[in-house]
Amino acid sequence: DAMVIQNPRYQVTQFGKPVTLSCSQTLNHNVMYWYQQKSSQAPKLLFHYYDKDFNNEADTPDNFQSRRPNTSFCFLDIRSPGLGDAAMYLCATSRDGGSKSPLHFGNGTRLTVT
Amino acid sequence: GENVEQHPSTLSVQEGDSAVIKCTYSDSASNYFPWYKQELGKRPQLIIDIRSNVGEKKDQRIAVTLNKTAKHFSLHITETQPEDSAVYFCAASRDGNNRLAFGKGNQVVVIP
Repeated sequence: DAMVIQNPRYQVTQFGKPVTLSCSQTLNHNVMYWYQQKSSQAPKLLFHYYDKDFNNEADTPDNFQSRRPNTSFCFLDIRSPGLGDAAMYLCATSRDGGSKSPLHFGNGTRLTVT
Repeated sequence: GENVEQHPSTLSVQEGDSAVIKCTYSDSASNYFPWYKQELGKRPQLIIDIRSNVGEKKDQRIAVTLNKTAKHFSLHITETQPEDSAVYFCAASRDGNNRLAFGKGNQVVVIP
């Protein structure tokens, strides 16, 4: 079954300790997105890749980085997690980024910072 | 940037009744408005969308209406069923792309 898979479902890290969240897809979609969703808030787009082209949102903190080594995988690196970075992180894909190719979300990784 | 707001935050309806969720947006250039449904413990999934060149779209028991002048759009669910219980997110984007600005979500509870 073609899917967007995020690992792990739950991640605990210590304040200031780098952490990497992973996302893989079997849909062969060109575009991959990372959203941050804090409790009772809207999912907020952090950045997206159109193929290998990286697109950062203007208000995404420098503490967040991303890598897309190939079509199937995309990683979210948080260099120095703070307590305010605790959230659900959602990965999504789109065939071509246009409105006629809807977002396919993963189940998310819930990050806890202690 | 775009700001999308949803009201109410929680909605409880009796099974069989209708549910309506409203969203407002700020960017008059936005032209694509999808709705995503997220059931408990599951991923968000697109249920319906509308583009700015139409005012209404229906798909079985769900419909979306768009008022470009007032910059708001609404999700209508008729004959609600328990499986309609979920969080519903509205979103908006410009240039017909999927760089979406989401609302905070509405928790819809259908009471059997």
